[in-house]
Parts: sequence; structure tokens; C-alpha cells
Amino acid sequence: GAVVSQHPSWVICKSGTSVKIECRSLDFQATTMFWYRQFPKQSLMLMATSNEGSKATYEQGVEKDKFLINHASLTLSTLTVTSAHPEDSSFYICSANPGTANEKLFFGSGTQLSVL
Amino acid sequence: GESVGLHLPTLSVQEGDNSIINCAYSNSASDYFIWYKQESGKGPQFIIDIRSNMDKRQGQRVTVLLNKTVKHLSLQIAATQPGDSAVYFCAESTDKLIFGTGTRLQVFP
Repeated sequence: GAVVSQHPSWVICKSGTSVKIECRSLDFQATTMFWYRQFPKQSLMLMATSNEGSKATYEQGVEKDKFLINHASLTLSTLTVTSAHPEDSSFYICSANPGTANEKLFFGSGTQLSVL
Repeated sequence: GESVGLHLPTLSVQEGDNSIINCAYSNSASDYFIWYKQESGKGPQFIIDIRSNMDKRQGQRVTVLLNKTVKHLSLQIAATQPGDSAVYFCAESTDKLIFGTGTRLQVFP
């Protein structure tokens, strides 16, 4: 299947700092990528849809100024958690697919963010 | 709002037995469903999918059944192995992928 690479795998940061997470499609181009957040023992919650060359679409309740998404190329989307706080600590996962959006999504390995 | 849920939060099975994981969905307009497997600390891994014009689809050791009448989806794993231990999510796709709450499968010897 298609390969989606996510970096870093885990990050620890101080409260108030910003953290950038990268999501790359390694063997295909993706005009659309998706960012999810997952708290312990819970399901994946869609945060936003990242669109190459245009603004991201955020789900209700997700602060666009706090979770900055940039999709500058067909193989790279980044999520920046700005002014991170302990409540932002979570597992962040990106996904993409080489075909029709929302079908057979392939996921990155996830990024565990811990904010102290 | 629309949601996709699972009946059993934890399923324990003996190695070699068959496993059945269930899922209920509420959006009758959903026409595409996916099962994912997630191991601890990793991203979800695609297992199998099915479209609403089908009732059954088989893969390697896995079968997905779809009952549109009662809006029910199930994943059957044949001859369950220790490596199958994980959390399994069903998801429905409309204009976005919505995940169910997940079922933890535990395989004991």
C-alpha cells in the first residue's frame, strides 16, 4: 500500500512553545491530507483537512489559529501546534491517499506530543 | 449528530478461534466502510473495506459483513493469532472519514 511518513514520532516541549509535525506521502501525490488527534483509549477525531495550495478546512471546535496547517506541496503537509499547553498533549496522526479523497486512507505512524 | 459506534469495547479470544468485532453506524447515506487495526503507539493500518452495494467481502483471514437494513458492520477474523491483538476501528466515509469508538481484541494462548 501507499506509504505515509510522519515526523517526529514523539516530542516533548515546554508549555508556550510551538511544535511542527510533518506528514509526507512517499510514493504518491496527495492533494488532500487529513490530520487527526487521538487521546488515550479514545478514537481518532478529525481535526482538519489539508488542501494543497489552499487553506485548510477545520472541524468544528478546532482552533485554526492554534493548529496551523500548511500544505505547500503535493507530498508534504505540516501541522504546527502554537503556544502549546499541557491539554494539547495527544497523539497526532496524519493520513492521505493516492486516489479519491476519504477512501482507503493510509495513515502515518503518529506523533506523540507531550507538553510539560 | 451522526456517529459510528461499536457494541463491545473489549473482546478476548483464544488463539486459533474466530473473532467477530461488531460496529453500528447511524448515517444511512454512508456508502463506504473501512476497518482499521491500530497497535499501541502506531497509526491505524488498513485492513479491509466494503461499499454499500455489497453485503460481504473477504480478504486474507478477514471477512467484512454489511447489513444495511440494521446499519450494522462486522469484521470476522479467522484463526485469530497473537499478532491480531490490537484495537480495531470501523469507519464510515461520506465527505470525511468518521471513526467508531474502537474494540480492543485480546488473544490469549
